Amino acid sequence: DIQVTQSPPTLSASVGDRVTITCRASQSVSSYLAWYQQKPGKVPKLLIYKASSLEGGVPSRFSGSGSGTEFTLTISSLQPDDFATYYCQQYHSYWTFGQGTKVEIK
Amino acid sequence: EVQLVESGGGLVQPGGSLRLSCAASGFTVSSNYMNWVRQAPGTGLEWVSVFYSDGRAFYVDSVKGRFTISRDNSKNMLYLQMNSLRVEDTAVYFCARSRSGLEPFDIWGQGTMVTVSS
Repeated sequence: DIQVTQSPPTLSASVGDRVTITCRASQSVSSYLAWYQQKPGKVPKLLIYKASSLEGGVPSRFSGSGSGTEFTLTISSLQPDDFATYYCQQYHSYWTFGQGTKVEIK
Repeated sequence: EVQLVESGGGLVQPGGSLRLSCAASGFTVSSNYMNWVRQAPGTGLEWVSVFYSDGRAFYVDSVKGRFTISRDNSKNMLYLQMNSLRVEDTAVYFCARSRSGLEPFDIWGQGTMVTVSS
């Protein structure tokens, strides 16, 4: 089974900050890596697929990069609506989620 | 409108059974890979099971032999039969669509809460 590890678990940031979240897979997943945003009591929302492709309607301040085992999600300028928990997901072999990164207000 | 709507959650005692349902609209369940994902209170997301378009089904190790995923093409529905429930199965259960085995989950239901407690 492919394990996925996210870091950091929690991130404190201010509006306007550049934020980076890292995801590592236990073995290569090629580019089959997605990022989701989830707000409390809400359904996860797909942000990025295939490591770097932006889902329709997602603001361009979100970007993804990486391949193989190391991936990053970057928010170029954090907005008030972006405070949420972010999950990465590999889908190279079934589906596995990272543990999540909570982005909170500093 | 493309959407998924889950139902069937509730309170059940350890060792009990529950069947979850997921009604799809705006697309055909049988043409997609349909999944169940769960989220225990205050924790992260865990993929539970998938029903492939070709009829094959797969499960996470922790539910193998206890949960059974199925679909009804005539009703455009997905199901999860959960037997021998444990306290650690307590979670919100989401159904979610992926277009294939190499796709993420693009459509999610709102979730249904399952509580296993005596």
